[in-house]
Amino acid sequence: AQSVTQLGSHVSVSEGALVLLRCNYSSSVPPYLFWYVQYPNQGLQLLLKYTSAATLVKGINGFEAEFKKSETSFHLTKPSAHMSDAAEYFCAVSTTGTASKLTFGTGTRLQVTL
Amino acid sequence: DTAVSQTPKYLVTQMGNDKSIKCEQNLGHDTMYWYKQDSKKFLKIMFSYNNKELIINETVPNRFSPKSPDKAHLNLHINSLELGDSAVYFCASSQAGSQPQHFGDGTRLSIL
Repeated sequence: AQSVTQLGSHVSVSEGALVLLRCNYSSSVPPYLFWYVQYPNQGLQLLLKYTSAATLVKGINGFEAEFKKSETSFHLTKPSAHMSDAAEYFCAVSTTGTASKLTFGTGTRLQVTL
Repeated sequence: DTAVSQTPKYLVTQMGNDKSIKCEQNLGHDTMYWYKQDSKKFLKIMFSYNNKELIINETVPNRFSPKSPDKAHLNLHINSLELGDSAVYFCASSQAGSQPQHFGDGTRLSIL
């Protein structure tokens, strides 16, 4: 079985400050890990993915995440927050194969203030 | 040239009615999914089809019946709608064994 825990349902940062959204996973096999972003009234957009290549993964909009197997973590960071980053962020874990499915965390709402 | 498109975007109906949501993808993927997002934003998979064959059925009430006429389409029919069915339903697609999944914009279903 696989699962994802996102610490902090709501994170608030000032514009220009570091963004850190936490994700811990549990998986019985080597996982594929993802971060998705959801803007209001929209679908989910892929930010970045980890698929057992480089442990530091760079994504769109200046986001990156580091896979740490020893800590079972895949935290999302961005050096400098922008107002347009305000959205809901979801971490997800998946296995491979035709029966693969995404198991999502409960999401973290990022608020960016002036 | 939308990759994954769902119709309708909004669906407002009364309890007890039957309704359908349609999904189409033009990415050439062979796997399609339905997810439900509840009022607390929690996302959970409902179904997965691979090349028109049901692969995943996650303990969804049998009032929900997916149908895949071809690998580019996955529709969701819901019978006897209940208040608890109010949610946003997302369609997604991917290549089997190779993520990521691409999502549609969702269908917001409201039961009166």
